[in-house]
Amino acid sequence: KAGVTQTPRYLIKTRGQQVTLSCSPISGHRSVSWYQQTPGQGLQFLFEYFSETQRNKGNFPGRFSGRQFSNSRSEMNVSTLELGDSALYLCASMYGTGGFYEQYFGPGTRLTVT
Amino acid sequence: AQKVTQAQTEISVVEKEDVTLDCVYETRDTTYYLFWYKQPPSGELVFLIRRNSFDEQNEISGRYSWNFQKSTSSFNFTITASQVVDSAVYFCAVRLGNTPLVFGKGTRLSVIA
Repeated sequence: KAGVTQTPRYLIKTRGQQVTLSCSPISGHRSVSWYQQTPGQGLQFLFEYFSETQRNKGNFPGRFSGRQFSNSRSEMNVSTLELGDSALYLCASMYGTGGFYEQYFGPGTRLTVT
Repeated sequence: AQKVTQAQTEISVVEKEDVTLDCVYETRDTTYYLFWYKQPPSGELVFLIRRNSFDEQNEISGRYSWNFQKSTSSFNFTITASQVVDSAVYFCAVRLGNTPLVFGKGTRLSVIA
């Protein structure tokens, strides 16, 4: 089975722009979660989707949004980029929802905001 | 709210030494799930193990072993006969039924040849 794929792998944007990141989960997995990883804050949860419905949302401003499509693929969008948004954005897929299932992570998208 | 503490920020060992990574968690729930992930320099988080709160059995998988003790809220991870390829950042995490994963800050392990 193919693993979680994320595109693009690297991205450089300018402050004020917006960006869309994409995640394709493992085939058969219906849950997708997004995390932001920075040296200062570590791994922070952004949101979780299951069957196109947002199940959980982290403590991030409204500039961060996401969605999930009927094929379980997910996108996250960040509008009006700030320098502090520079981070590694990780997507994780899970077969179901709930603590019983383990999450499998993609390679991440490294976003640099200048 | 849940919390995970990995007190060891960085550990450096010589190849073939054994090393234990500590993890202490906090949660008021009786049902929870604990995880360990490895993040090599490539950046991808690799799942290592999941343990639920009702299963306190220790587990051994090759050179890896995990010691879960509810009495001390700890879920420690030991690598036996460490190898250079074990060099990575290791994260411990906790999750309740339908809540997001909460990660510790991670422990950077460097194995020197």
